[in-house]
Amino acid sequence: DGGITQSPKYLFRKEGQNVTLSCEQNLNHDAMYWYRQDPGQGLRLIYYSQIVNDFQKGDIAEGYSVSREKKESFPLTVTSAQKNPTAFYLCASSAQTGRLQPQHFGDGTRLSIL
Amino acid sequence: AQSVTQLDSHVSVSEGTPVLLRCNYSSSYSPSLFWYVQHPNKGLQLLLKYTSAATLVKGINGFEAEFKKSETSFHLTKPSAHMSDAAEYFCVVSENQAGTALIFGKGTTLSVSS
Repeated sequence: DGGITQSPKYLFRKEGQNVTLSCEQNLNHDAMYWYRQDPGQGLRLIYYSQIVNDFQKGDIAEGYSVSREKKESFPLTVTSAQKNPTAFYLCASSAQTGRLQPQHFGDGTRLSIL
Repeated sequence: AQSVTQLDSHVSVSEGTPVLLRCNYSSSYSPSLFWYVQHPNKGLQLLLKYTSAATLVKGINGFEAEFKKSETSFHLTKPSAHMSDAAEYFCVVSENQAGTALIFGKGTTLSVSS
């Protein structure tokens, strides 16, 4: 079955450490997205990519970095510069960007601080 | 700028009774609107979408929503609630023509009692 796979499901970060969250899709979608979800705040866009080797900052990109070397993969690195990283991180993809295109979501990674 | 407001943070119903989750939006042009559902520690699943075709949109699991431009509303309804409907529901508007940014409401938690 086609879908989006996020790993790991749970992740713990030590102070000063960078961690990378994996997102892989086999839907052959061009566009991929990373969101952060905090309780009672809905989802906020961190980064998005419309095509391989290109990505754009979202509303809350500070302290995060991404890469898009392959169409199916869009990993997110939470750097030590992100001072409040505890959240639920969701990866999504869509066939292409465009307001008619729904986004498909993975099951998320929950990041906590040790 | 576009925005979306979910009028209730929590809705409680009994099994077999109707469900109404309310959503108002603001938009400077004809929006695309979506409803997503999220079960605990899971990603978001698309329930239905409105993209300027029929104003009454039917989705999965018996849900439907009506787009009312005069009221700037997109309320989600279901005639008869099931225990499995208990989840968090998000109303989402597409911010721009490119669809690169979705604006999420803060969510409504639906509780279903037997």
